[in-house]
Amino acid sequence: GQSLEQPSEVTAVEGAIVQINCTYQTSGFYGLSWYQQHDGGAPTFLSYNGLDGLEETGRFSSFLSRSDSYGYLLLQELQMKDSASYFCAAPIKETYKYIFGTGTRLKVLA
Amino acid sequence: DGGITQSPKYLFRKEGQNVTLSCEQNLNHDAMYWYRQDPGQGLRLIYYSQIVNDFQKGDIAEGYSVSREKKESFPLTVTSAQKNPTAFYLCASTRQGGNNSPLHFGNGTRLTVT
Repeated sequence: GQSLEQPSEVTAVEGAIVQINCTYQTSGFYGLSWYQQHDGGAPTFLSYNGLDGLEETGRFSSFLSRSDSYGYLLLQELQMKDSASYFCAAPIKETYKYIFGTGTRLKVLA
Repeated sequence: DGGITQSPKYLFRKEGQNVTLSCEQNLNHDAMYWYRQDPGQGLRLIYYSQIVNDFQKGDIAEGYSVSREKKESFPLTVTSAQKNPTAFYLCASTRQGGNNSPLHFGNGTRLTVT
């Protein structure tokens, strides 16, 4: 089967660092993507890991380890506007299928 | 500006009626997708299409139908066979399936069936 699992909720304070994990079981995928979704809005793309290792984009970094079937999104210098849901997602090899994780709701406290 | 347009934003229907959700993109993307999202839940794939006149079932296709007669358009019909149709429906597209082509999403249609 194909599934991506995430913690349901994470809480942190402004200025802190938070890590959102994603563990997966897929029959084959190109890499791992991350999306942010504010309440009532559409998901927006944050980052993509096609290879193992760390990718950095401003305050956000994402990591992938294929051997451990695991990835994470790291958010630094948290701001109130980072309060949102975050999803890992994977495009499946040999197809155009694109599946999403269960989602993590991040609450940033003042 | 290029983007994906979903209409309407809110849709109300009576049980037993079919309803069609519109999705149009002017990004010249090949692949298009429909997802369903329930409150506090993730995105579940309903149907996807990688090329005109071709589409595949996703993980929860029962009770839904689609067509892809034009590259720009990928309408979703929620039929009366769908047992729990009330949900937030998101349409997305990407330049090409796979690798690092990100998905671009429309603003969604919130369907309520009573």
